Amino acid sequence: GAGVSQSPRYKVAKRGQDVALRCDPISGHVSLFWYQQALGQGPEFLTYFQNEAQLDKSGLPSDRFFAERPEGSVSTLKIQRTQQEDSAVYLCASSSPGGGDYGYTFGSGTRLTVV
Amino acid sequence: AQSVTQPDIHITVSEGASLELRCNYSYGATPYLFWYVQSPGQGLQLLLKYFSGDTLVQGIKGFEAEFKRSQSSFNLRKPSVHWSDAAEYFCAVALSGNTGKLIFGQGTTLQVKP
Repeated sequence: GAGVSQSPRYKVAKRGQDVALRCDPISGHVSLFWYQQALGQGPEFLTYFQNEAQLDKSGLPSDRFFAERPEGSVSTLKIQRTQQEDSAVYLCASSSPGGGDYGYTFGSGTRLTVV
Repeated sequence: AQSVTQPDIHITVSEGASLELRCNYSYGATPYLFWYVQSPGQGLQLLLKYFSGDTLVQGIKGFEAEFKRSQSSFNLRKPSVHWSDAAEYFCAVALSGNTGKLIFGQGTTLQVKP
């Protein structure tokens, strides 16, 4: 596609519910990142994929957070047993092959509200 | 640990006035530096980036930024602000040689008065 597509655009979850957030990167982009942006804050790194390999997951806040990219294209961020502190905008970004120029393209994000 | 500080949470300028948004970073080596803009409900758009070379970097939409190693700063400037520049601005640093993840400042909200 022309850009990075994220769905759903908005998600309201009851506390304790599991959610899955989808990212469809630009075709051919090798690198894919997930960021979490709390209200009034800058984005914070969650995890990084190069093709299907998850090379860095140091930013995942707890074992309730899980990300995958099984075929090296679409990625899913799953949050189990959601908590109120998980409320945030989740941003996905992809970059051109190798990502050496840091040419990231960000999606518009999924706004998650946990009630 | 690496960090990025944007000292101004909120700035208001009049349309046509000049703008400077401050950014300071903490990093041992020369970092890769970025400025992004985020409009409400939108993703982040890259304004400009600095890797090496000329310390004055030109970006899109008439923005520029200057890398000052001695001050660990990378301030964003625009000589004449337009109403459409009202948005959230983020400074970010990437750690050279690693996966390329970005560390963002907390952002500066720019309001433009008519």
